[in-house]
Amino acid sequence: IAGITQAPTSQILAAGRRMTLRCTQDMRHNAMYWYRQDLGLGLRLIHYSNTAGTTGKGEVPDGYSVSRANTDDFPLTLASAVPSQTSVYFCASSKGESGELFFGEGSRLTVL
Amino acid sequence: GQNIDQPTEMTATEGAIVQINCTYQTSGFNGLFWYQQHAGEAPTFLSYNVLDGLEEKGRFSSFLSRSKGYSYLLLKELQMKDSASYLCAVKGGDYKLSFGAGTTVTVRA
Repeated sequence: IAGITQAPTSQILAAGRRMTLRCTQDMRHNAMYWYRQDLGLGLRLIHYSNTAGTTGKGEVPDGYSVSRANTDDFPLTLASAVPSQTSVYFCASSKGESGELFFGEGSRLTVL
Repeated sequence: GQNIDQPTEMTATEGAIVQINCTYQTSGFNGLFWYQQHAGEAPTFLSYNVLDGLEEKGRFSSFLSRSKGYSYLLLKELQMKDSASYLCAVKGGDYKLSFGAGTTVTVRA
């Protein structure tokens, strides 16, 4: 089934640890995104990639890094997790810059 | 930056109509999207408006007025399964999608 796969689905992490959230899509979409969703704040863009080999910063990039080595994969790394990074993280993709976004099922991260 | 406002909560009765308003102030405009998100699930695409006017898709319709920075999502013949959060999102001049905080709609029997 075509779509976006995120892993892990849920994770509890100690503060200071490094964590990578994985995202893979099989729709051959050029653009990919990482959002975090917090109660009352909605979805906020962390980082994005318009095409393989390029990345850009969104609204809340601090404490996060991404890479886009190929079209399908777009991992999000927290170098040293802090409790304020407790959130639900959604990976998304779109065919081009103007297309609709397709979302993965989300990764719930708790940093203690 | 982007500023997108929508009501926090709405309640309606099964079979009724509900209108969710969204106002926005953005740097550039390349379209307005509505997404539906059930609790614990991913957002799913509902509608897209880039020109002024009404777009109808089954029981759901979406309206846009660019000059007023205003959109609404109309849900007709409400069903229990329509209980969800509805997210208004605007694609700005940089082609990045910014989201409102969402409107939680509760449908009562």
